Amino acid sequence: GAGVSQSPSNKVTEKGKDVELRCDPISGHTALYWYRQSLGQGLEFLIYFQGNSAPDKSGLPSDRFSAERTGGSVSTLTIQRTQQEDSAVYLCASSPSSYTGGNTIYFGEGSWLTVV
Amino acid sequence: TQLLEQSPQFLSIQEGENLTVYCNSSSVFSSLQWYRQEPGEGPVLLVTVVTGGEVKKLKRLTFQFGDARKDSSLHITAAQPGDTGLYLCAGARRETSYDKVIFGPGTSLSVIP
Repeated sequence: GAGVSQSPSNKVTEKGKDVELRCDPISGHTALYWYRQSLGQGLEFLIYFQGNSAPDKSGLPSDRFSAERTGGSVSTLTIQRTQQEDSAVYLCASSPSSYTGGNTIYFGEGSWLTVV
Repeated sequence: TQLLEQSPQFLSIQEGENLTVYCNSSSVFSSLQWYRQEPGEGPVLLVTVVTGGEVKKLKRLTFQFGDARKDSSLHITAAQPGDTGLYLCAGARRETSYDKVIFGPGTSLSVIP
């Protein structure tokens, strides 16, 4: 597809279980972002990738959260030992450049995570 | 602490009315973006403003970047029901090797037919 693809679109998991969320960015986009959005709220920055490296992990809320990106393409966000406060929509975005001035950041539709 | 503030948080108006949404910060940004998000979808970029004092128009939407590049406004003329959605401003802060994009909390707009 032409856009940013995320899976699963919806995930219900039990408290304490691990979850993996996948992002397939637009082909050729080197910059990749993960954000978290609680119901009706703005987006909370989690992590930024440039190629395969993550120069900014400052938004990850705890050491239960980790992310990787392989081959400069697909990224996986992993949440270990999920808690109810992790329930949110996890949004992935990609851009052809690290700088926003003349570039568009494209978002996927998100993965809605519910921890019960 | 919220780096970007938006006001109002909620807005419900009649079709045909005009409205302005504000985005404010104490930080200077290298660029500022406005997005619209509809339920169940990711945000979609409307505009990027880069230069202090810059004004951009997109049909009935007018965007302005403050002279000091700390604030912005979005004005909608003759609102339509299709304008309903969550409007998010996002400031880009120049880090060493990339622009860190920080989002405001959003303004939820409802346009009643």
